[in-house]
Amino acid sequence: LAKTTQPISMDSYEGQEVNITCSHNNIATNDYITWYQQFPSQGPRFIIQGYKTKVTNEVASLFIPADRKSSTLSLPRVSLSDTAVYYCLVAPNSGNTPLVFGKGTRLSVIA
Amino acid sequence: GAVVSQHPSRVICKSGTSVKIECRSLDFQATTMFWYRQFPKQSLMLMATSNEGSKATYEQGVEKDKFLINHASLTLSTLTVTSAHPEDSSFYICSARDGAGDDEQYFGPGTRLTVT
Repeated sequence: LAKTTQPISMDSYEGQEVNITCSHNNIATNDYITWYQQFPSQGPRFIIQGYKTKVTNEVASLFIPADRKSSTLSLPRVSLSDTAVYYCLVAPNSGNTPLVFGKGTRLSVIA
Repeated sequence: GAVVSQHPSRVICKSGTSVKIECRSLDFQATTMFWYRQFPKQSLMLMATSNEGSKATYEQGVEKDKFLINHASLTLSTLTVTSAHPEDSSFYICSARDGAGDDEQYFGPGTRLTVT
């Protein structure tokens, strides 16, 4: 499974756009990139998934360059409630493949 | 989206006793479920893959005789921590993939185990 590297922590003020970049140099052809959010004492929550180019949903955008060796999660206009740990994962999108978590990025949103 | 539940959400037990944690997929069938453990300020660590109707596959360093996994139906997997010790105190999280639906992997809310 491809290893991922993310910043350990980030700080942001409310209302700003936050971009968290993840490196996955060894991504395989059949790997997808998935981002999860985790609040303290809760299970991870799916945010967004993509394979290439750009994906957008109601909570975030995911930018993936052509070489797919990195990806950037973009959170528009963060609020205090977005304070959480964000994990970038790379794995095939098949039922029997577990998700292996890296250290994640601890985002702190400040008023 | 699909929902995965865990029971109990929180449990305190005495050292030497066993504790069972249930993981259920509420509105989908999951032939495969996964169990993770998370210590404070750390990431999730995969413990084992639970396969319906067959033996679980454990990650290196996880004792299969200590962490018993049973996946007797397509909606239920159980993790039993046997002869628990204080160092087993952790946050246990299960997940399941809705292979017949959107194929996303859904996580349960976690179970906080405290061994005294």
